Amino acid sequence: DQQVKQNSPSLSVQEGRISILNCDYTNSMFDYFLWYKKYPAEGPTFLISISSIKDKNEDGRFTVFLNKSAKHLSLHIVPSQPGDSAVYFCAASDSGTYKYIFGTGTRLKVLA
Amino acid sequence: ETGVTQSPTHLIKTRGQQVTLRCSSQSGHNTVSWYQQALGQGPQFIFQYYREEENGRGNFPPRFSGLQFPNYSSELNVNALELDDSALYLCASSVGTENNSPLHFGNGTRLTVT
Repeated sequence: DQQVKQNSPSLSVQEGRISILNCDYTNSMFDYFLWYKKYPAEGPTFLISISSIKDKNEDGRFTVFLNKSAKHLSLHIVPSQPGDSAVYFCAASDSGTYKYIFGTGTRLKVLA
Repeated sequence: ETGVTQSPTHLIKTRGQQVTLRCSSQSGHNTVSWYQQALGQGPQFIFQYYREEENGRGNFPPRFSGLQFPNYSSELNVNALELDDSALYLCASSVGTENNSPLHFGNGTRLTVT
């Protein structure tokens, strides 16, 4: 049972345009969500998080939106840069637990 | 600030053998979690250690075990290796056990079981 789903395995975007990565979850108890970026041969790097008490969190070029009723979150990167090319994972957790559930990742390619 | 470091980076073992993977947590972090990432999948939670005790466990058999030391470093031990244990093993450190503390990952150990 995949509680966190990233249905797009890959995405290609032109440099300077917006990248939108999507994530759906099934567990209504999840209340904290994170996005990670992973380059080959490196561990995942934390990008941005959002708590369920918010519907938007912004950090520079990265914005995460949360739609609790739809159990959907998205990561917007604008403007996209070639260095953003990586695999992006969303992860979710609920209060009182100690583990994060990760999606299967979306490979973003930003074309110069 | 020292990040999370893992050793070794790569390892090849034979089915049935045992393996120990090591992790040093980021300075100031007292909690260590281990994740397994199979090819094409997201990381899967193995267990977490806090104050030298196992604080929670994912859906992994008992042949996966761990330790945390007083300096917050950690080991992951896997006995009776199986071919399906081939994966990237990621260690992550964080502060406390609250779920609003992001995990900071090391670069992982790539384990191949033949």
